[in-house]
Amino acid sequence: DVKVTQSSRYLVKRTGEKVFLECVQDMDHENMFWYRQDPGLGLRLIYFSYDVKMKEKGDIPEGYSVSREKKERFSLILESASTNQTSMYLCASSSHQTVNYGYTFGSGTRLTVV
Amino acid sequence: AQRVTQPEKLLSVFKGAPVELKCNYSYSGSPELFWYVQYSRQRLQLLLRHISRESIKGFTADLNKGETSFHLKKPFAQEEDSAMYYCALSEGRNYGGSQGNLIFGKGTKLSVKP
Repeated sequence: DVKVTQSSRYLVKRTGEKVFLECVQDMDHENMFWYRQDPGLGLRLIYFSYDVKMKEKGDIPEGYSVSREKKERFSLILESASTNQTSMYLCASSSHQTVNYGYTFGSGTRLTVV
Repeated sequence: AQRVTQPEKLLSVFKGAPVELKCNYSYSGSPELFWYVQYSRQRLQLLLRHISRESIKGFTADLNKGETSFHLKKPFAQEEDSAMYYCALSEGRNYGGSQGNLIFGKGTKLSVKP
C-alpha cells in the first residue's frame, strides 16, 4: 500500500544536466516536502508546498526549484546538476487535519552526479 | 531558533541491554515531538509521537519540558532494532490549519549486537 511514490530509486546524471525528481502521493494530502538526506547531516529541507501552485523555500533551496501543478504531485528540479548535489532525496507529505500524525515518506531517490 | 540535537551519531549495545537514544530540543512554544526510524533499505517511517504517549515496538519516549528532552528508550534491545533514528520537532507555524514543518535532528545509528 505505497502511498508516497518517488519515480526513481537510483539516478545517475552528468554535471550540468537538468534533473527532475518526481513525487506522487495518493492520500489527498495538502502538504508536500522535499528533503535531502546526507550522512552526519540528517534531513535538510529543500522546498515545501502547502497547496497547489504554492511553494516555499526550506533551509537549502539554492540550486533547486520545485513545481506543484496538481495536488498529488510535487516535482524537484535541479536546474544544472553539480557533484555536490549527489545525495539521497526524500519526498514526504502530510495533511493539515492530521498533522500530529507526522509525515509519510517516499522510499527515496539516490542521485549521483558525475 | 528551533533546533533538535541528537548528541550521538552511533550507539552500539548488546542484545537484551537497555537502550536510550537522546534528543534535546530548543523551541520557545509548545513542541510537538516525534521519533522516526529508518531500517536498512526501507523508507523513513514514524515510530512514535509524544502526543499519543504510546509504546511502539517496546519503545517509549517522554517529553521533559524542564530538560527540553524527548529521549527514546527501550528496556531490552533486539537485533531488529538496528536502524537509523531521527528525532523531529514540529515548528508550529500555521498555514491553512497546518502546524508547520518538521525540524529533524542529525540522527543516531543504533547497532544492536548479538
